[in-house]
Amino acid sequence: AQSVTQPDIHITVSEGASLELRCNYSYGATPYLFWYVQSPGQGLQLLLKYFSGDTLVQGIKGFEAEFKRSQSSFNLRKPSVHWSDAAEYFCAVGSSGGSYIPTFGRGTSLIVHP
Amino acid sequence: DGGITQSPKYLFRKEGQNVTLSCEQNLNHDAMYWYRQDPGQGLRLIYYSQIVNDFQKGDIAEGYSVSREKKESFPLTVTSAQKNPTAFYLCASSIGKQGAVGYTFGSGTRLTVV
Repeated sequence: AQSVTQPDIHITVSEGASLELRCNYSYGATPYLFWYVQSPGQGLQLLLKYFSGDTLVQGIKGFEAEFKRSQSSFNLRKPSVHWSDAAEYFCAVGSSGGSYIPTFGRGTSLIVHP
Repeated sequence: DGGITQSPKYLFRKEGQNVTLSCEQNLNHDAMYWYRQDPGQGLRLIYYSQIVNDFQKGDIAEGYSVSREKKESFPLTVTSAQKNPTAFYLCASSIGKQGAVGYTFGSGTRLTVV
């Protein structure tokens, strides 16, 4: 069965600093990988996704993520964080075999200090 | 604009009552999903439907029921058998039948037992 781990429950950064949110997955074949963002009391919005090809994926709002098969990771990065980036971030992994329905991580809460 | 509409935004349930959460989409998406979100636990799949008049149980279906009589509608009923229904409920849809291309989420319904 597929699984996904987000090791950090909370991350605190200063505005303008760089950001990296960690995501590790467990799945035997090539996974489908996603990052979503959730503002308080709202639904989730898709930031970016990886299916195949270039392992560096660009998303919306200036985010990018890199798929590293050797490390089973799909970390989310942003070079300069804005106060509006404060939110909950979820990594999800889906499988290319069987059910594609993704499994979500428990989320990482991003706090941005001015 | 196309999207997913969940209603109501807040819902209060008395002990022993059944309540129904509404989810409507005008994206012409094939598949629809219901997730439950509890603090620190990420998203857990309740039910999903890939075509009209067909649906499958997710990981935590006990105490819930759904119907899919129309492509655009996927209501969730929280029955009295659900012993701990207080949570944030999210509806999602996807173009593909199994969510491989990513989800579009509604803005959620917060259900509280009083």
